[in-house]
This record gives sequence, structure tokens and C-alpha cells, in this order.
Amino acid sequence: AQSVSQHNHHVILSEAASLELGCNYSYGGTVNLFWYVQYPGQHLQLLLKYFSGDPLVKGIKGFEAEFIKSKFSFNLRKPSVQWSDTAEYFCAVNAGGNKLVFGAGTILRVKS
Amino acid sequence: DGGITQSPKYLFRKEGQNVTLSCEQNLNHDAMYWYRQDPGQGLRLIYYSQIVNDFQKGDIAEGYSVSREKKESFPLTVTSAQKNPTAFYLCASSILRDVNTEAFFGQGTRLTVV
Repeated sequence: AQSVSQHNHHVILSEAASLELGCNYSYGGTVNLFWYVQYPGQHLQLLLKYFSGDPLVKGIKGFEAEFIKSKFSFNLRKPSVQWSDTAEYFCAVNAGGNKLVFGAGTILRVKS
Repeated sequence: DGGITQSPKYLFRKEGQNVTLSCEQNLNHDAMYWYRQDPGQGLRLIYYSQIVNDFQKGDIAEGYSVSREKKESFPLTVTSAQKNPTAFYLCASSILRDVNTEAFFGQGTRLTVV
């Protein structure tokens, strides 16, 4: 069965610091990868997605993620975080059958 | 506005009672999903449906039931058999394709069983 592992459950950063959230998945075939974000009190929304092509994908609000097939990884990055990036971030993989499998989530708190 | 509507936002029930959570979408999506979100465990798939009158168990289906009588609606019943029903429940929908699909989520229902 597919699984998704997010390395850190809680991350605390100061504003302007760089962010990297780790995500690894277990599935050997073709996958589509997603990062979702849940801001406090809001619904889950898509941050970015990888389907094919360039392994470096750019999403909203300055986020990007790099798909490294050999490492089964899809890490999320942002060069300089803002207080408004405080949220919970979920990595997800779709390995077929329209079944999205999520990681446990990473809670990011950005100190102003 | 197109979207997914879950109701109610908060729900309180006594232990031993069945309760049904509503999920409606007007996005014309074929696939619909129910997830349960618990702190530190992410989102776990309860049930999903790719077409009317058909649905499949997810990873944690025990103690839950669903129906898909209409394309727009996918209600979830939390039965008394569910050992730990207090949680945040999220409904989602997506266009039915192979893997090139993203899910859109509702605002969630927080169920508390006392």
C-alpha cells in the first residue's frame, strides 16, 4: 500500500528564514504528488502539484517543490517565510484509482 | 459559487447514537471522498466513490457507512460501532481521471461524541 511520510510534525521559524519540509512516499510506479495547506480556520487548499515534466514545480505564494524520483521525495521549499505562512502543510500522493493518500502533516509556526 | 458544502460545522452526539454528516458538491465532479483528520495522523481515507451507486472502503472504513444516490451528494454515517468517533471529518471531490486529479475540500465537520 502507498504511504507518505512527513519528516517533521512541528516547525518553528522566524520571518525571512528559509523553509524546507520533507516528504517521502512509498510507491514504485507512476505517481502524482501534491502539497496542500490548511490555514487556521480555513479549509484545505492546494498549494502545488506534480504530474509530469519539469520536476521543479512552482505553486502559489512563492512555494516550490522538487520531485526526486530516485529518492521518492517531494520536498516543499520557500526561500523566505512570512508570518502569514503559519499553517499546517500536508503532502499527498495519488498512485492510481483516484485515491489520495496523505502524510501526517507538518505544523509550521512563523514568529514575527 | 461552485464548491463543496459540509454541514453542520459542529456536531455533538451522545455515545451509542448514529449520526449522519452531509456533503454536497456543485462542481459536477464524479469522485467524492470522506477523510478523517486527527492531530498528528494527517488525513485518513474512510470511503470514496467514483460513480453514483458505487463506493469503496478506504483505510479506516470500520464503523462508518456511506451512500451515493446522487452525483452531488455523499453523506457519511458514523455508527455506534465506531470506537473513537470524535474527530474532524473532511469531504472532498475530484474529476474522475486516472492519476491526474486534484481534490477539492469542504470546510469540514467537527464531531464530538459525549
